[in-house]
Amino acid sequence: EIVLTQSPGTLSLSPGERATLSCRASQSVSSSYLTWYQQKPGQAPRLLMYGASSRATGIPDRFSGSGSGTDFTLTISRLEPEDFAVYYCQQYDSSLWTFGQGTKVEIK
Amino acid sequence: EVQLMQSGAEVKKPGESLKISCKGSGFTLNNYWIGWVRQMPGKGLEWMGIIYPGDSNIRYSPSFQGQVTISADKSIGTAYLQWSSLKASDTAMYYCARLIAHNYFDPWGQGTLVTVSS
Repeated sequence: EIVLTQSPGTLSLSPGERATLSCRASQSVSSSYLTWYQQKPGQAPRLLMYGASSRATGIPDRFSGSGSGTDFTLTISRLEPEDFAVYYCQQYDSSLWTFGQGTKVEIK
Repeated sequence: EVQLMQSGAEVKKPGESLKISCKGSGFTLNNYWIGWVRQMPGKGLEWMGIIYPGDSNIRYSPSFQGQVTISADKSIGTAYLQWSSLKASDTAMYYCARLIAHNYFDPWGQGTLVTVSS
């Protein structure tokens, strides 16, 4: 089973700043199968990025994803107030789906 | 609009059984894999398993195999997650979600909060 480790656990930033979130896999993941979700308090997760770098419908272009192999990154170029949330990466391999433990982006 | 509607919150005692549901609207649930995800209080997301309601093909996460049962009723386009004997440690929010391209989950249901307490 592939384990995903996200860092940092918490990111304290101000609106307008750039956020860089990391997702590291215990073994190589096809970039086609690396996904990011956003979860706000009291809400279900929402699809953000799929295929490592493709934005889901309605996701603004301040969100971008990159990476390959074992290292993937979600970048938020300029944080808006609505972007403060928890972000999870997820991968698929060999009929198993796993999530990272999440990165909380909080207001500094 | 494509949506997944889950059954309401449940409060149960240890040892009781429970079955929660997930119904699709705006799409044919029977034609998609549907996944279940657990989120314990204040914790992250854990994939539990998936089902293809069209033929009830099921895959379980090794962590949840034998702990829960995933099923579906294709005649009413509904997926289920059930427990035969709940434990306090089953207290969590449970989400269903549609699996796209055998890859990622979208959309997600609103969640069903299960509380197990004596």
